[in-house]
Amino acid sequence: SQQGEEDPQALSIQEGENATMNCSYKTSINNLQWYRQNSGRGLVHLILIRSNEREKHSGRLRVTLDTSKKSSSLLITASRAADTASYFCATLRGGSYIPTFGRGTSLIVHP
Amino acid sequence: DAGVIQSPRHEVTEMGQEVTLRCKPISGHDYLFWYRQTMMRGLELLIYFNNNVPIDDSGMPEDRFSAKMPNASFSTLKIQPSEPRDSAVYFCASSGGQGGGETQYFGPGTRLLVL
Repeated sequence: SQQGEEDPQALSIQEGENATMNCSYKTSINNLQWYRQNSGRGLVHLILIRSNEREKHSGRLRVTLDTSKKSSSLLITASRAADTASYFCATLRGGSYIPTFGRGTSLIVHP
Repeated sequence: DAGVIQSPRHEVTEMGQEVTLRCKPISGHDYLFWYRQTMMRGLELLIYFNNNVPIDDSGMPEDRFSAKMPNASFSTLKIQPSEPRDSAVYFCASSGGQGGGETQYFGPGTRLLVL
């Protein structure tokens, strides 16, 4: 089964609004990554947060990690139509060298 | 750097034919991954290599699938014989530096349609 599960499966918002996506996982992790996939393209790495970190920022992206709840969230502030894509979380379990990807959240930002 | 390069970008073939997908990882990366993506199953890891050696092929669905990495700059994924249920987008990704658990760089994918 998937280690990381994104929620919601789909999200539709207006340009300028904030978008929040969540990722829950089952076992302890070393790090958690978020990726974006535009339609018809490969996945692109957005941000990596390690198990000893609680929050990271990158431009309009903010990622939080709560290891006690085994969950992470990705916040995109002031969304743009160009943010329309699928967003995946990938978790690296302890003792593993290979991240496991979730099923993704499909985000649509209406102009 | 050109990033991960995959070819072909699109492949349409008939059931029973052999299909070969190709990948050139980013220079200096020591991990290479092959994934398959479908609507039904999402993104599945098929196999990964470390320093050209296959480490885990437990995701390869059947013996019809095989992968090789003859050198650090080239890998192939072969399906023989192909079946309609193999239709999917196949991605190659590479990573390096601190092991396979760090950032993965994906290629643009090969969209395979088996008729």
